[in-house]
Amino acid sequence: DADVTQTPRNRITKTGKRIMLECSQTKGHDRMYWYRQDPGLGLRLIYYSFDVKDINKGEISDGYSVSRQAQAKFSLSLESAIPNQTALYFCATSEGRDEQYFGPGTRLTVT
Amino acid sequence: LAKTTQPISMDSYEGQEVNITCSHNNIATNDYITWYQQFPSQGPRFIIQGYKTKVTNEVASLFIPADRKSSTLSLPRVSLSDTAVYYCLVGVDTGRRALTFGSGTRLQVQP
Repeated sequence: DADVTQTPRNRITKTGKRIMLECSQTKGHDRMYWYRQDPGLGLRLIYYSFDVKDINKGEISDGYSVSRQAQAKFSLSLESAIPNQTALYFCATSEGRDEQYFGPGTRLTVT
Repeated sequence: LAKTTQPISMDSYEGQEVNITCSHNNIATNDYITWYQQFPSQGPRFIIQGYKTKVTNEVASLFIPADRKSSTLSLPRVSLSDTAVYYCLVGVDTGRRALTFGSGTRLQVQP
């Protein structure tokens, strides 16, 4: 079984809909992250959490919210999706010095 | 956070050694240097991390000069499967900071 799982893997939704992307990890790591990647570009950090009670905004948090339900679960929500949020979303986890483990990604399309 | 500069793209042929250099002029005393590899539609994968001098693992070597203002990822005898984007990250994942990914270097290996 994969250490970091993301659901759904693909999602198509309409403008204005609320969407939740979920991430679970079995590595026992304290830290979890959500990134967004647009075609041909690098990853941009949306939110990150250093433990269940410590959640921080990243570079591009506007339009997104997160919930750290447990150490192993970190969800990303788009309260009212818009087309320019169409992207590939990655969840990652880490423990200690910087080595992050990434999930398989969620491809989100907002029409 | 230390800003990094990498070449946008590089080309190589199978069997050659590839060196990708990353500049990080304002690296801080506590910062580590970390490299990730990303294949299309997959999350990045940790390659190597170092603080100073040279680090080698089964995949790559990382060369860091004494002033630490740059670093070079060395991939020995590349194959077609090494075609990917390579990211250099500089920082230390402590306190309330998280590292950020830049645009990376797109390596294309040809037969």
